Amino acid sequence: QKEVEQNSGPLSVPEGAIASLNCTYSDRGSQSFFWYRQYSGKSPELIMFIYSNGDKEDGRFTAQLNKASQYVSLLIRDSQPSDSATYLCAVNPLEGGSYIPTFGRGTSLIVHP
Amino acid sequence: KAGVTQTPRYLIKTRGQQVTLSCSPISGHRSVSWYQQTPGQGLQFLFEYFSETQRNKGNFPGRFSGRQFSNSRSEMNVSTLELGDSALYLCASSAASGGSNEQFFGPGTRLTVL
Repeated sequence: QKEVEQNSGPLSVPEGAIASLNCTYSDRGSQSFFWYRQYSGKSPELIMFIYSNGDKEDGRFTAQLNKASQYVSLLIRDSQPSDSATYLCAVNPLEGGSYIPTFGRGTSLIVHP
Repeated sequence: KAGVTQTPRYLIKTRGQQVTLSCSPISGHRSVSWYQQTPGQGLQFLFEYFSETQRNKGNFPGRFSGRQFSNSRSEMNVSTLELGDSALYLCASSAASGGSNEQFFGPGTRLTVL
């Protein structure tokens, strides 16, 4: 079974700092990668997706993908207390001809004032 | 544009019963995927429907089944409920099927099996 690994945290950063969240995946053939944010008691919300090696920036968020090393990361610049949530990494490996969305267990981020 | 809706939001059932959950995707979206989220296992993929056909299926027993209607609304059924089926069931809609499409989640149905 394809795996997606994340450090469960919590990752604690001060307000205004850069938060760095990492994710590794086992299926080298994976083509698409997603980051979701999930507040306690709420459903996951898509933040970013990335398909190509390199960086992709959207506002305070930057996703980084390195397919050779099989990791994807999310950087949050100027972290705010409202960024405190669990961040889920998702990968869509191909298994038996079908895409099976596979999520990591998530990293809990705490941004303290 | 309205988001993904799920009904009911909360359910309490007893072991051995069956349950049906409903999901209405974002207007224009034809793909609906179902997930189970538990503290122990995290978010796990159940299956995906696109144009009334099951496209992908995760590693869950046959007690979990689903269907999709011509208006893209989807239902998920769990038969012979077990205590371990207690979870948050999420559906997600996407414009198309396949591995590269972004998904938008509904609020979920919290199922408790007693």
